[in-house]
Amino acid sequence: AQSVTQLDSHVSVSEGTPVLLRCNYSSSYSPSLFWYVQHPNKGLQLLLKYTSAATLVKGINGFEAEFKKSETSFHLTKPSAHMSDAAEYFCVVSINTGTASKLTFGTGTRLQVTL
Amino acid sequence: NAGVTQTPKFQVLKTGQSMTLQCAQDMNHNSMYWYRQDPGMGLRLIYYSASEGTTDKGEVPNGYNVSRLNKREFSLRLESAAPSQTSVYFCASTGTGRWHGYTFGSGTRLTVV
Repeated sequence: AQSVTQLDSHVSVSEGTPVLLRCNYSSSYSPSLFWYVQHPNKGLQLLLKYTSAATLVKGINGFEAEFKKSETSFHLTKPSAHMSDAAEYFCVVSINTGTASKLTFGTGTRLQVTL
Repeated sequence: NAGVTQTPKFQVLKTGQSMTLQCAQDMNHNSMYWYRQDPGMGLRLIYYSASEGTTDKGEVPNGYNVSRLNKREFSLRLESAAPSQTSVYFCASTGTGRWHGYTFGSGTRLTVV
């Protein structure tokens, strides 16, 4: 079985400071991992994905994440927060069962950016 | 624009009423999914369809039925709506292969009173 744990339900940072959103995963198989962002009253947008290539993955809007197998982690970072980054972020693990892939979502981390 | 289209965007139902949520994708994706999103619980899989003609239960299928009408369309039906089904519903699709991400629709906000 696969699961995802987002360690913080809410993170608050000042504009211009670094962002760290933490995610640990559990999977019996070699996982694909994703980060999605959801702005208020909007759908989900893919930020970045890890699929067993480079362990440091770069995404859109300056975000990146590092896959660490030994720590079973896939933390999301950004060097400098912007007001427009305020949103909910979901860490997601995907397992391909042969017939279909299925996503398991974390419970989300709400990022607040203050002036 | 290519993507996943969901209708309606908003709906209010009375307890016991039925309705169908529609989803269509134009990316020639094989797999389609229905999720519900509730506060503090992330997204949970209701049903999915690996390919045209197949459907399978997800994590929270009770109270729902689905139909994969063709490769493009995947509908979700509530036969007898309950207040516990008040949620935001997302449809998603994906192609084949590990590198495929999922494309999500913009969601349907359903309230059952």
